[in-house]
Amino acid sequence: GQQLNQSPQSMFIQEGEDVSMNCTSSSIFNTWLWYKQDPGEGPVLLIALYKAGELTSNGRLTAQFGITRKDSFLNISASIPSDVGIYFCAGPSFNFGNEKLTFGTGTRLTIIP
Amino acid sequence: ETGVTQSPTHLIKTRGQQVTLRCSSQSGHNTVSWYQQALGQGPQFIFQYYREEENGRGNFPPRFSGLQFPNYSSELNVNALELDDSALYLCASSLWASGQETQYFGPGTRLLVL
Repeated sequence: GQQLNQSPQSMFIQEGEDVSMNCTSSSIFNTWLWYKQDPGEGPVLLIALYKAGELTSNGRLTAQFGITRKDSFLNISASIPSDVGIYFCAGPSFNFGNEKLTFGTGTRLTIIP
Repeated sequence: ETGVTQSPTHLIKTRGQQVTLRCSSQSGHNTVSWYQQALGQGPQFIFQYYREEENGRGNFPPRFSGLQFPNYSSELNVNALELDDSALYLCASSLWASGQETQYFGPGTRLLVL
């Protein structure tokens, strides 16, 4: 089945630093999604990418849909304490008309005081 | 907040018991998907309900079953609980329309099986 691998698994940064993380797939996706999950909460959609090569921003967040359609990148500029959490990439699979989401392994972001 | 609610928030059961988890979808949404998230992992797709019927299933055994009601709310039932069923169970609602539906997640139900 499809697998999404995220790197790094965890990051420890200082407030104000920029962050980069990526997600790679064993197969092609036609859409890439980036979610953030806070402790005790469900994932919240940050950015959706629908076209290979697309670069999309949402405030301090920027994500890119890789040209090969097998990878995606998420960057966070000038990190702040509320950026702490787990970031997941996800791709929808269109099987029998449904939209099952396959999630990556997650990148845990911690900000060191 | 996404407008998706789940109950209960936490639950403790023993092995062999049965459990029912509930999800109310966001207003206007007609599709509910359920995911299992083990500790330290990403969510894994269990199944999806659309128009009160199962519309796709992940790699989960038949003891995981579900329902969707006319108001689009949904239940996840798990029979013969096993220790490995301990996880956060998430539901997500969406509007089945164009094929680019965004799934909005609820806060989850944390299930502990002893």
